[in-house]
Amino acid sequence: KQEVTQIPAALSVPEGENLVLNCSFTDSAIYNLQWFRQDPGKGLTSLLLIQSSQREQTSGRLNASLDKSSGRSTLYIAASQPGDSATYLCAVKGYNFNKFYFGSGTKLNVKP
Amino acid sequence: DAGITQSPRYKITETGRQVTLMCHQTWSHSYMFWYRQDLGHGLRLIYYSAAADITDKGEVPDGYVVSRSKTENFPLTLESATRSQTSVYFCASSLTGGVTTEAFFGQGTRLTVV
Repeated sequence: KQEVTQIPAALSVPEGENLVLNCSFTDSAIYNLQWFRQDPGKGLTSLLLIQSSQREQTSGRLNASLDKSSGRSTLYIAASQPGDSATYLCAVKGYNFNKFYFGSGTKLNVKP
Repeated sequence: DAGITQSPRYKITETGRQVTLMCHQTWSHSYMFWYRQDLGHGLRLIYYSAAADITDKGEVPDGYVVSRSKTENFPLTLESATRSQTSVYFCASSLTGGVTTEAFFGQGTRLTVV
C-alpha cells in the first residue's frame, strides 16, 4: 500500500523567504504527483501536476520537482507572501485503479 | 455553474439516520471519488467510480454506499450514521485515469453526527 509522508507538518516563516515543502512516497510505481493547496474550511485547489516521466513543473513562484526513483517530491515557493498561508497537500496517483494517495499536509504560515 | 459542486455544505444528523451527500460535476469527467478528511488521518478514499454504473471500494468503505447512474452525479449515502462518521467529505473528479489528468475537488461537506 502506498504511504505518503509530508515533512514538516507545520512551518512558519517571515514574508519574503524562499521555502521548500517535502513529500515522500513508498511505491515508485506512480502515474503522477499532484500538489494542492487547502485554505481553512475550503476545498482543495490544484497547484501543479508532475507526470511520472517529468522532473519538474513550474507555475509562477511555485516549482515542484519529482524524483520517482527515490520516492520524493519537493514544492519550492519563492518569495513567500502572507497570502501563501494555507495547508499544502501532495497526492500520488498509483497504477492500481487510478487512486490518489494523500499525505497529511504541511500547514504553512507566512508572517507579514 | 461549471465545475464540481457538493451539497449540502453543512449537515448535522442523528446517530442511526440515513443521510446522502450529493456531488455533481459539469465536465463529463469519467472518474469520480469520495474522500473523508480527519485530523491525524489526512484524506482517505471511501469509494471511487471509473464511469457510470462502475464503482469500487477505497480504503474506508464500511458504512457507506455509492451509486453512479449518471456520469455527472456521484451521491454518497451513510446508511445508518455513526459518530465516527463525523468528518469533512470531499468529492473529486478527473477526466480519465491517464498520466496527465488532474483531480479537481469540490468545496466539501462538513458532516456532524450527534
